[in-house]
Amino acid sequence: DAEITQSPRHKITETGRQVTLACHQTWNHNNMFWYRQDLGHGLRLIHYSYGVQDTNKGEVSDGYSVSRSNTEDLPLTLESAASSQTSVYFCASSDLGGNSPLHFGNGTRLTVT
Amino acid sequence: GEDVEQSLFLSVREGDSSVINCTYTDSSSTYLYWYKQEPGAGLQLLTYIFSNMDMKQDQRLTVLLNKKDKHLSLRIADTQTGDSAIYFCAENNWENYGGSQGNLIFGKGTKLSVKP
Repeated sequence: DAEITQSPRHKITETGRQVTLACHQTWNHNNMFWYRQDLGHGLRLIHYSYGVQDTNKGEVSDGYSVSRSNTEDLPLTLESAASSQTSVYFCASSDLGGNSPLHFGNGTRLTVT
Repeated sequence: GEDVEQSLFLSVREGDSSVINCTYTDSSSTYLYWYKQEPGAGLQLLTYIFSNMDMKQDQRLTVLLNKKDKHLSLRIADTQTGDSAIYFCAENNWENYGGSQGNLIFGKGTKLSVKP
């Protein structure tokens, strides 16, 4: 069965370190997204991609970067981790079309100390 | 800017109906969605409604859309303890991002607690 997997599930890092969160999907979807989920804020879009070599900034992109070198993967990099980036991060993918559902991974809980 | 508002908590007894309400601001939204999040998991699409519809029913779920008031509701009939979760309302963010469903604006989520 097709799926979307995120790794690691949990990560603790120190302020200032570079961190990369992995996202891999086997749906063969063109569209991939990164969200962060915080209490009181719901889900906010960080970055998204509509295909290989395409990346775009979302609502809260400062301090994050993504790259899309193939269809399956969209890694999220925190260049210099800050305590404000402590959050749960969700990767999602979708096919084209407004009625195509977003498929979410199970999330990565990141703690920056 | 665009915004999606929903109440944060709802508590019901098993067997009762649950109604989760949502208001949105982007009148150009083509689709409106309900997602469910269980503990420790990602969001899962429950149902969606096209903007030219007033109602959509899918087994125990009924979605009502009032475009004039920009109000969306999700009714769960015969609520079960397994329905306990966080429910997110979402709309397309067409103004900033256009087409893909992935560019959604989510509400903060309504935590549904079902008491036996």
